[in-house]
Amino acid sequence: QGQLVESGGGVVQPGRSLRLSCAASGFTSELPFSFYAMHWVRQTPGKGLEWLSSILSHGSHTNYADSVKGRFTISRDNSKDTLYLHMNSLKDDDTAVYYCSYDNGRGPYWGQGTLVTVSS
Amino acid sequence: VVLTQSPGTLSLSPGERATLSCRASQSVTTSFLGWYQEIPGQAPRLLIYGASIRASGVSDRFSGSGSGTDFFLTISRLEPEDSAVYYCQHYGASQSWTFGQGTKVEIK
Repeated sequence: QGQLVESGGGVVQPGRSLRLSCAASGFTSELPFSFYAMHWVRQTPGKGLEWLSSILSHGSHTNYADSVKGRFTISRDNSKDTLYLHMNSLKDDDTAVYYCSYDNGRGPYWGQGTLVTVSS
Repeated sequence: VVLTQSPGTLSLSPGERATLSCRASQSVTTSFLGWYQEIPGQAPRLLIYGASIRASGVSDRFSGSGSGTDFFLTISRLEPEDSAVYYCQHYGASQSWTFGQGTKVEIK
């Protein structure tokens, strides 16, 4: 199955921006990265798991949770097998581990996550 | 779809059976109902997909059941390492996913 590796996390001040990347590898020519809808999910201690955003296979349609709508933008570059999450106007409670994920037909597969800490 | 898990916390002894509930606000396709185990410091681990199919490498002590709006995760013969928070998830729509709020399982 295809593998996912997130990157781009770090410490950022409130109000600033950050871009996360999710590099995909190991997908087949029959079922390439471009075939799959992709998602971003975050994990916050004490607050659980939260779905954030999704993008259809060719980027034709995106969807967002109310908590990030208008601040976060999901995009993908199928030529680079990469998914992105552009995060603007970051808040303290955006502090979390961020994961990219897709349903590979045997349930959602997740990367290992990247930690974003929003702090002054 | 809103997923409501119960109970909030379950405290049991080793060897006992745990039954966790996940209720959906509307009927969902069993094909897209999953369960995760979350241990602090680790990525969530998929245990069950398709409501009742164990993910690769998952112990047969974990089993999923249910349909429509009511789904269950059963952990038989509890072991100390089963102490974790468990989440149900509906991942049916290609555009949005939903998680329950989690059930904490404590091993006495």
